[in-house]
Amino acid sequence: NAGVTQTPKFRVLKTGQSMTLLCAQDMNHEYMYWYRQDPGMGLRLIHYSVGEGTTAKGEVPDGYNVSRLKKQNFLLGLESAAPSQTSVYFCASTGVTTVTDTQYFGPGTRLTVL
Amino acid sequence: GEDVEQSLFLSVREGDSSVINCTYTDSSSTYLYWYKQEPGAGLQLLTYIFSNMDMKQDQRLTVLLNKKDKHLSLRIADTQTGDSAIYFCAEKRSTLTFGKGTMLLVSP
Repeated sequence: NAGVTQTPKFRVLKTGQSMTLLCAQDMNHEYMYWYRQDPGMGLRLIHYSVGEGTTAKGEVPDGYNVSRLKKQNFLLGLESAAPSQTSVYFCASTGVTTVTDTQYFGPGTRLTVL
Repeated sequence: GEDVEQSLFLSVREGDSSVINCTYTDSSSTYLYWYKQEPGAGLQLLTYIFSNMDMKQDQRLTVLLNKKDKHLSLRIADTQTGDSAIYFCAEKRSTLTFGKGTMLLVSP
């Protein structure tokens, strides 16, 4: 049981490049989330999904797109990266049967945009 | 306000008790959580409290909830150097809303 995994762990992009971050969970969870963590800002929700084929905007969605084609995967895309998107990105998941609605987090992807 | 508020930094000596405080915003939040983040890692659930409870104890951890003041605290007894980490308070609304995190530094 790997839990929540994220690929890649580190990435450096140039301004204007695109990339996709992959989140995978093997807990059969319905809900998945993408957060970004910046110094002094805590965690801010980018997008989330309440089930396969569904996505919704969080607090800071601009500049990002997401897709949930399979229940176990949640992809975060940056179409044209900007230095302001330099951050650590965390994926999390939880299930409808998770009694306390606890979210389980991946290890993070550290992204630098030059 | 809309934010979950926490103090940013706490420094204690090994063996002392640590108390991390948080104020939340939504009185209808069903669960309140404390997550721990060690350097270079993701967040891990440390403990939680249901909104109809005043206190929860789990080994060295004590969570106190004051619903009237919307105040949540985490007490760590006999703090160890391995407790050094960032601690996030979070409340459950439609999604989770996190505080900015309190960095706990435990010195020998």
